[in-house]
Amino acid sequence: GNSVTQMEGPVTLSEEAFLTINCTYTATGYPSLFWYVQYPGEGLQLLLKATKADDKGSNKGFEATYRKETTSFHLEKGSVQVSDSAVYFCALSDLEGGSEKLVFGKGMKLTVNP
Amino acid sequence: NAGVTQTPKFRILKIGQSMTLQCTQDMNHNYMYWYRQDPGMGLKLIYYSVGAGITDKGEVPNGYNVSRSTTEDFPLRLELAAPSQTSVYFCASIPGTGREKLFFGSGTQLSVL
Repeated sequence: GNSVTQMEGPVTLSEEAFLTINCTYTATGYPSLFWYVQYPGEGLQLLLKATKADDKGSNKGFEATYRKETTSFHLEKGSVQVSDSAVYFCALSDLEGGSEKLVFGKGMKLTVNP
Repeated sequence: NAGVTQTPKFRILKIGQSMTLQCTQDMNHNYMYWYRQDPGMGLKLIYYSVGAGITDKGEVPNGYNVSRSTTEDFPLRLELAAPSQTSVYFCASIPGTGREKLFFGSGTQLSVL
C-alpha cells in the first residue's frame, strides 16, 4: 500500500535559520503530494501541494518539489520565523481501490526561537 | 461559509461509556474522513465515506462506527470507550472530483479515563 515517511522531530531552530524537512513516499500509482501544517490548538491546513512530477509547490516562503526519481517531496524554507512554529505533515493522495485515499506521515514538530 | 464543523471540542469519558462525535460540512463535498491523531504518530484514518449511504473502514476502525445518511453529516460513534481511544479526532472532507486539498475541522480532544 501507499505510505509516507518523513523526518521526525522535534526540531528547534533559531529565527532566520534554513529549514529542510525530508519526506519520501511509496505509491503504486501517480499520487498528488501535500504538505499540511498544524498550528498550536488548530486543525491541519494545506501549506502547499504538487500534482505531478517536477511540479514545485510554494506558499509563505516554503517550497517543495515533486521528485519522482527519488520519490521525495522535501519541504524547504530559507529563513524561518517564530510564527512558523508548528507541526508539519507530509501526505499523499492516490486512487486506491477506486476511492481517493490520503496517507499522512507522522508529523514533525518545529519550534523557532527568537 | 462554515466549512467543516466538529462538535464537541473537548470531552472526557469514563471507560465503557459511549458517545458520538459530530461532523458537518456545508460545501457539498462527497468525500468525508475521520482521523485520529496520537502524539508522535501522525494521523491514522478511522473511517471514510465517498458519498451518502457509503462508508468504508480505514486503518484503525476497531471500536468505532460511522454512518452517512446525508451528504452533510458524518458522525463517528464510540461504543464502550477504552483508554486507548484517548486521542484528538479530526473530521475532513474533499469534493472528490480530483486531487484537491482536504478541509479539516478544528478537532475533538477526547480523554477516556
